[in-house]
Amino acid sequence: DQQVKQNSPSLSVQEGRISILNCDYTNSMFDYFLWYKKYPAEGPTFLISISSIKDKNEDGRFTVFLNKSAKHLSLHIVPSQPGDSAVYFCAASLPSGSRLTFGEGTQLTVNP
Amino acid sequence: GAGVSQSPRYKVAKRGQDVALRCDPISGHVSLFWYQQALGQGPEFLTYFQNEAQLDKSGLPSDRFFAERPEGSVSTLKIQRTQQEDSAVYLCASSRNRGLNEKLFFGSGTQLSVL
Repeated sequence: DQQVKQNSPSLSVQEGRISILNCDYTNSMFDYFLWYKKYPAEGPTFLISISSIKDKNEDGRFTVFLNKSAKHLSLHIVPSQPGDSAVYFCAASLPSGSRLTFGEGTQLTVNP
Repeated sequence: GAGVSQSPRYKVAKRGQDVALRCDPISGHVSLFWYQQALGQGPEFLTYFQNEAQLDKSGLPSDRFFAERPEGSVSTLKIQRTQQEDSAVYLCASSRNRGLNEKLFFGSGTQLSVL
């Protein structure tokens, strides 16, 4: 039972354009959502998060949007840079939970 | 060190062999997590420690998997009688405080291959 799904295994964009990565979840009890970025041979690194009481959180070039009614979140990267090329994982947690539930990941490639 | 350190970086085991994977979290971090990442998948939760107490081990796939953190710092994940389906990257993560809303700092992982 995949509670967090990233339906696009890969995404390719041009440098300077917007990258939009999507994530859907099934468990309406999730109350905190995160995005992690992973380079090859490294562990995931935290990128940005959002609480379920918000619908948007912004940090520099990165913005996460949460649509609770649709159980959908997205990560926008503007402008995209070649160094953003990595695998992006969305993750979710339950209130007072001890675990993150991750999606399968989306490989983003930003072409110069 | 500055980050979460895991060793060995790679481990090749024969089926049936026991293995031990080590994690050195960031100094002073209270919470420590183990995740298993199969090829092409996202990390899956295995177990969680708060200091030396193992508060959640519900993600361990079988009783062949055992984790400990006896002094509240270094942790070891042990897999007994390894099987081919145990082949994966094992990730360790730590966070400063107790709450899961603290961002996790991941190590680079141990890639386990069971032949």
